Formats: sequence, structure tokens, C-alpha cells
Amino acid sequence: QSALTQPASVSGSPGQSITISCTGSSSDVGSFNLVSWYQQYPGRAPKLIIYEVTKRPAGISNRFSGSKSGNTASLTISGLQPEDETDYYCCSYVGNSIVVFGGGTKLTVL
Amino acid sequence: QVQLVESGGGVVQPGGSLRLSCAASGFTFSSYGMNWVRQAPGKGLEWVAVILYDGSNKWYADSVKGRFTISRDNSKNTLYLQMNGLRAEDTAVYYCAKDFTRFGLVYALDYWGQGTLLTVSS
Repeated sequence: QSALTQPASVSGSPGQSITISCTGSSSDVGSFNLVSWYQQYPGRAPKLIIYEVTKRPAGISNRFSGSKSGNTASLTISGLQPEDETDYYCCSYVGNSIVVFGGGTKLTVL
Repeated sequence: QVQLVESGGGVVQPGGSLRLSCAASGFTFSSYGMNWVRQAPGKGLEWVAVILYDGSNKWYADSVKGRFTISRDNSKNTLYLQMNGLRAEDTAVYYCAKDFTRFGLVYALDYWGQGTLLTVSS
């Protein structure tokens, strides 16, 4: 059950788009369309922003989008806003009813 | 509105035991899989365990298998995590979280509690 690989940090300017990658293997990200993404502010519980690779829960801005290519899933945030600055985690089903999180990415809005 | 409220955290000595609870409201608890996820201080999220909506199946991360037991009481709308053989590395905020879909698992956690802190220290 190895953690998925995310960049430790990414940054962008207001109005720009950024992409956070989440790299797994052919056994997890590459095999299942069960990747989700979470946004977490310090001291707060995580919030689901993408599920099943590309789907957005009700109430989540369409500035957030998800995709997958091979063993790598990605979260794209378009039209960056200052309030987007926080931590983001990916999560993937890895089989046998087990899930694994990525190490997390800190987004800085310059 | 959906609410998940964890309780039971505290300070425990290495080798000790503790049971966490998660009281659910605002949704049909008995229809959804439930998870425990933890976060060590200053660290990332770590999935701990999941239990099916009816309690018929449970799965665990390797790091807690054999030491932790997830359970639920659908008559009380409450999820539990019994933790035995606690180690320093179990120190974390423990969150309960609801699966997105009814009567199954899509491993997307759409509602989370605010967490309860477990500290394992002598």
C-alpha cells in the first residue's frame, strides 16, 4: 500500500490555471476509475472536490476538473483565486477494498 | 444536514487501547459505507479502514490490520474504531467519513467529521 506520488508544492498567479499530478501504478490509478481529490484548509476536515476521476460533487466550482492518463491522475484548477491556496490530496482505489492517499500538494497563489 | 461527530480521543500509553466513536445524523446512516481516515500532526492523510453499510464486510490498511477493529451500530447511527496495541506512530487526528454512494463503495468520501485527536505517549 504505497502512497501515491504528488508534487510537494505548486504555485500560480491569480487567474492562471495549475495542474496537480498524482502518480500511481498500473495496479491502482491505471486500473480503476476511482480517483478522488480533496481540498483541506489548515485545521479543517478535508472536502471532496472530485470523484471517479472527473466528476464534481454538487456545489463544487467548475473551475476544478479532473482527468487521468495511464497511471497518472490530475487535478486542474482554472482561474486561480486566492482562496484556492491550501493543501490538495488525491486518493485512489488500489483493489481489495483498500484506498491510498497521495502525500499532498501545497498550492500557493502568488 | 449531514453531521459526523467524532469522540473518544485522548492520551494513551504505548500498548494501550481506546475506542473512538462517530455519531452520524442528517442521512440514512444504515445505507452508506463508512471510513476512518487519520492525519498525523503536520502530515498527510492516511486511510485506516472501511465498513460496508450493513457491517457485513470490513477492510483495513496494513498499518493497522490486526490491531484496529471498525464496527457500526446502525440502530444508534454510530461508527466505532476499537484500537488496541497502540503505538507512537498511531498519534493522529482521526476522522470518520461517509462514502458517496448508497449500498456500495465508490471510495469517495463526501462528508467528514471534524476529527478527534489521539496521542500515544508515555
